[in-house]
Amino acid sequence: DGGITQSPKYLFRKEGQNVTLSCEQNLNHDAMYWYRQDPGQGLRLIYYSQIVNDFQKGDIAEGYSVSREKKESFPLTVTSAQKNPTAFYLCASTVTSESYEQYFGPGTRLTVT
Amino acid sequence: AQSVTQLDSQVPVFEEAPVELRCNYSSSVSVYLFWYVQYPNQGLQLLLKYLSGSTLVKGINGFEAEFNKSQTSFHLRKPSVHISDTAEYFCAVSPGGYQKVTFGTGTKLQVIP
Repeated sequence: DGGITQSPKYLFRKEGQNVTLSCEQNLNHDAMYWYRQDPGQGLRLIYYSQIVNDFQKGDIAEGYSVSREKKESFPLTVTSAQKNPTAFYLCASTVTSESYEQYFGPGTRLTVT
Repeated sequence: AQSVTQLDSQVPVFEEAPVELRCNYSSSVSVYLFWYVQYPNQGLQLLLKYLSGSTLVKGINGFEAEFNKSQTSFHLRKPSVHISDTAEYFCAVSPGGYQKVTFGTGTKLQVIP
């Protein structure tokens, strides 16, 4: 079955450590996105990538980094510079031919203590 | 620039009663409109979308929405809710293509038995 996988589902880290969240898709979508979700704030865009080896900052990119070396993979690194990293992180990809809807992965809940 | 407003953060409704979740948007260009549903600790799933054509859009699980250009609204409705509809609902707008999708802050629908 085609879809987006995110691993792990739950992630715990100590403050000051970098952590990388995985996002893989087998939908053959060109564009991929990372969102952060906090209670009452909806989804906020961190980074997005329209093609391999290219990506753009979203609204809250500070303290995060990404790479897009392969079409199917778009990992997100939460660095120690991110002041409040505890959140639910969602990866998505976009069908653009006619529908423009986004497909979402199941999310990773990151807790930093 | 575009924005989405979901005025109601929580909506309690009795089972089998009708419900309307409100969404208003603003944009300087034509946009595509979406409603997504999120169950606890899961990713988002598309309920319905408006791209063009008929302003009344039908989606999954018996939901429908009406696009009103003059009022810049895209309210979500269901004539009779079920316990299983308890979830958080997000309205979203996009100019299309690979451009940024803007999400509302979400409305939690609580269906009361």
